[in-house]
Amino acid sequence: ETGVTQTPRHLVMGMTNKKSLKCEQHLGHNAMYWYKQSAKKPLELMFVYNFKEQTENNSVPSRFSPECPNSSHLFLHLHTLQPEDSALYLCASSQEGGAGGGYEQYFGPGTRLTVT
Amino acid sequence: AQSVTQLGSHVSVSEGALVLLRCNYSSSVPPYLFWYVQYPNQGLQLLLKYTSAATLVKGINGFEAEFKKSETSFHLTKPSAHMSDAAEYFCAVRGRQGAQKLVFGQGTRLTINP
Repeated sequence: ETGVTQTPRHLVMGMTNKKSLKCEQHLGHNAMYWYKQSAKKPLELMFVYNFKEQTENNSVPSRFSPECPNSSHLFLHLHTLQPEDSALYLCASSQEGGAGGGYEQYFGPGTRLTVT
Repeated sequence: AQSVTQLGSHVSVSEGALVLLRCNYSSSVPPYLFWYVQYPNQGLQLLLKYTSAATLVKGINGFEAEFKKSETSFHLTKPSAHMSDAAEYFCAVRGRQGAQKLVFGQGTRLTINP
């Protein structure tokens, strides 16, 4: 595997279900991110993790619970979601703190989530 | 705080024509700037980035962008459009200090007409 991988690619869940999204980066980066992409809206940053520590939570509802057990893996635990949570969830990673700047983020293919 | 505005949510060009996708940023100091492309059912792929070296930045797939501080712009161009360029394009900005948040524009859907 190369780059950033996400599983599953598609997920349909009821509002009472509990599910998890998984992200793995194979780039040796030290930061990981969750984004939400809804139709007709800009990408929304949800969470930021640096060296496994959460450094940003953009007022995300508690029904979304991130977990970062190590610098290569990131999970998003979902429970009691609402239909408006249906979206494409993108994971990204970057290398922070190095010389040269830029710090571009590399994205996975996303998980298409549908809440029924 | 940084922000970006992409002018035009839809752009349509003929195959072989010039592609111009517009992006204006707002920042107190020149930021880092990025263009990403998203094909259907895929994640975002980095096309190019500006980090303060050359103001004309060349990227993948024949795209380039020019940083113009006086106009606070970072427009994306390609001399000759291919059918395979049909996708959604996102401009993004990141500040040079402090938070590592990447702020995206709303995206421009590029359609190529045969």
